[in-house]
Amino acid sequence: EIVLTQSPDTLSLSPGESATLSCRASQTVSRFLAWYQQKPGQAPRLLVYDASNRATGIPDRFSGSGSGTDFSLTISSLEPEDFAVYYCQQRSVWPLTFGQGTRLEIK
Amino acid sequence: EVQLLESGGGLVQPGGSLRLSCAASGFTFSSYTMSWVRQAPGKGLEWVSGISGSGGSRYYADSVKGRFTISRDNPKNTLYLQMNDLRAEDTAVYYCAKGYGLPHFVDHWGQGTLVTVSS
Repeated sequence: EIVLTQSPDTLSLSPGESATLSCRASQTVSRFLAWYQQKPGQAPRLLVYDASNRATGIPDRFSGSGSGTDFSLTISSLEPEDFAVYYCQQRSVWPLTFGQGTRLEIK
Repeated sequence: EVQLLESGGGLVQPGGSLRLSCAASGFTFSSYTMSWVRQAPGKGLEWVSGISGSGGSRYYADSVKGRFTISRDNPKNTLYLQMNDLRAEDTAVYYCAKGYGLPHFVDHWGQGTLVTVSS
């Protein structure tokens, strides 16, 4: 199975700053990578699919990039509601796999 | 509006069985791959099982293969997960997930149902 490794595990930033989260795959997933946001007690929410396509209703401060094995999610000018856990997921092959998550916390 | 409503979770003893259901609405159910994704307390997301729109193709994580069975009833717009021989490590919130593509990403999630395996 494809292993996804996210970095860093925790990112401490202040509102207004920019955040860059990384996701590395153990083998190529082409551009078949998605990003999700999860807040405590809630289901995950789709942010970006197929590397760089924003999901419906997602603000344009969220942007995804990458291909092959290296991907990133950038959040420009952090808002208070952006502090959450973020997961990447590949849909290149079964089984679907998720990264271990990056916790974005307020500094 | 897409809605996914899970039910069937609860407390079960090790070795026991449970059947989860997910009632779907707001989209053409038979046209989409569906999956179950779980999250153990304080842990990350783990994909469990997926099924194609027709039900003809089914996929499982190694951790549940041979113990769990995914199925769907398209006329009833309902997804199921039959879980047998449950273990403590199966304790988690189980999410019903609507897929896009095959394999898929998840464009809509249910609110989840908690399964606790304990004596």
